[in-house]
Amino acid sequence: GENVEQHPSTLSVQEGDSAVIKCTYSDSASNYFPWYKQELGKRPQLIIDIRSNVGEKKDQRIAVTLNKTAKHFSLHITETQPEDSAVYFCAAGKTSYDKVIFGPGTSLSVIP
Amino acid sequence: GAVVSQHPSRVICKSGTSVKIECRSLDFQATTMFWYRQFPKKSLMLMATSNEGSKATYEQGVEKDKFLINHASLTLSTLTVTSAHPEDSSFYICSALRQSGTDTQYFGPGTRLTVL
Repeated sequence: GENVEQHPSTLSVQEGDSAVIKCTYSDSASNYFPWYKQELGKRPQLIIDIRSNVGEKKDQRIAVTLNKTAKHFSLHITETQPEDSAVYFCAAGKTSYDKVIFGPGTSLSVIP
Repeated sequence: GAVVSQHPSRVICKSGTSVKIECRSLDFQATTMFWYRQFPKKSLMLMATSNEGSKATYEQGVEKDKFLINHASLTLSTLTVTSAHPEDSSFYICSALRQSGTDTQYFGPGTRLTVL
């Protein structure tokens, strides 16, 4: 089955700097890669996703890249703000209407 | 927006008893819901996929007779932890798949189960 790894497990950045979180997956049949943000004590929320027919997607300060050949995908947050502090999970699945397998998470702290 | 609720938010039970957790999609219909366990400061571990009107699909290592899933309607899935033991204590969280152009999983707030 699918196995998703995520690095780093913790990340601290100064406000205004960029943050990058990287994930790898094992199943070449995976074509859907969502990213979720979970603030302390709250439920995970989808922040962006990418499908295998594109290599990059951007939404304001957030961007995701996908290298299907290498089975790598990454989340980039620019101009970080304290409210970006949360745990971020990457995930991988065959389609957006199938199950997804989550990575172990990255705890991001943005220092004011 | 898409709202998913879970009930109860927390439950404490004695070892050997059964506990039922409900997951409801409040403003959309969901033929597919998912159940996860989340350990402290850990990731979401998928337990099973709940399909309306059919049997749930369990992930490897998850005992289907211990974690009974019923998805009897398009807005409700239930997870029953049978003969609960202390090792079943965990945070259980569900999600409902909203299929409306873009397929998105919306998560419930979770249920904290403590088995004494």
